[in-house]
Amino acid sequence: NAGVMQNPRHLVRRRGQEARLRCSPMKGHSHVYWYRQLPEEGLKFMVYLQKENIIDESGMPKERFSAEFPKEGPSILRIQQVVRGDSAAYFCASSPPSQIHEQYFGPGTRLTVT
Amino acid sequence: KQEVTQIPAALSVPEGENLVLNCSFTDSAIYNLQWFRQDPGKGLTSLLLIQSSQREQTSGRLNASLDKSSGRSTLYIAASQPGDSATYLCAVMNYGGSQGNLIFGKGTKLSVKP
Repeated sequence: NAGVMQNPRHLVRRRGQEARLRCSPMKGHSHVYWYRQLPEEGLKFMVYLQKENIIDESGMPKERFSAEFPKEGPSILRIQQVVRGDSAAYFCASSPPSQIHEQYFGPGTRLTVT
Repeated sequence: KQEVTQIPAALSVPEGENLVLNCSFTDSAIYNLQWFRQDPGKGLTSLLLIQSSQREQTSGRLNASLDKSSGRSTLYIAASQPGDSATYLCAVMNYGGSQGNLIFGKGTKLSVKP
């Protein structure tokens, strides 16, 4: 059973461009979580999704950020008009329906905005 | 608002020493507490998960304890090895809300010298 997959692993964007980060949960997992780790900071929760539903987006910045988890395909975290302050590692985690309190993390996508 | 603090921020020990990492949290109404390991440029590996009703969990040379009433957890590493060098993160999941939100400390960066 493959672990949580994230791609790309590294992403470089110029200011003003869009960044799309993908997360494929573990097989059988229907819950996805996104976290952001800024340099020298701890991981901060961003959003919790189930298939086709946003359950908790209390950690998402109000503008430019959006997330989805469609019925088919990976979860996408989208950042529009990126700024230097968006440079960070973005981690995705997933959990199965029966054990939503145990999250399995992917390797992360490191976004650099130049 | 739940806050998680880890002390010390960094620790360097010679190989073979036993060591303790500390984690404290401000709100005792937690569902569980989890210890992770993060290697540079890599994702998170779950080490131990302690449910709120439990006092400790053990895996190999690792032992984690939980004292909910005082808001503290410790991670004990026996007979440390250079391969244990990494950043250790503590995270709690609160009761209530969506229960999808792990709250992390900033971590303790451990270096084990051969």
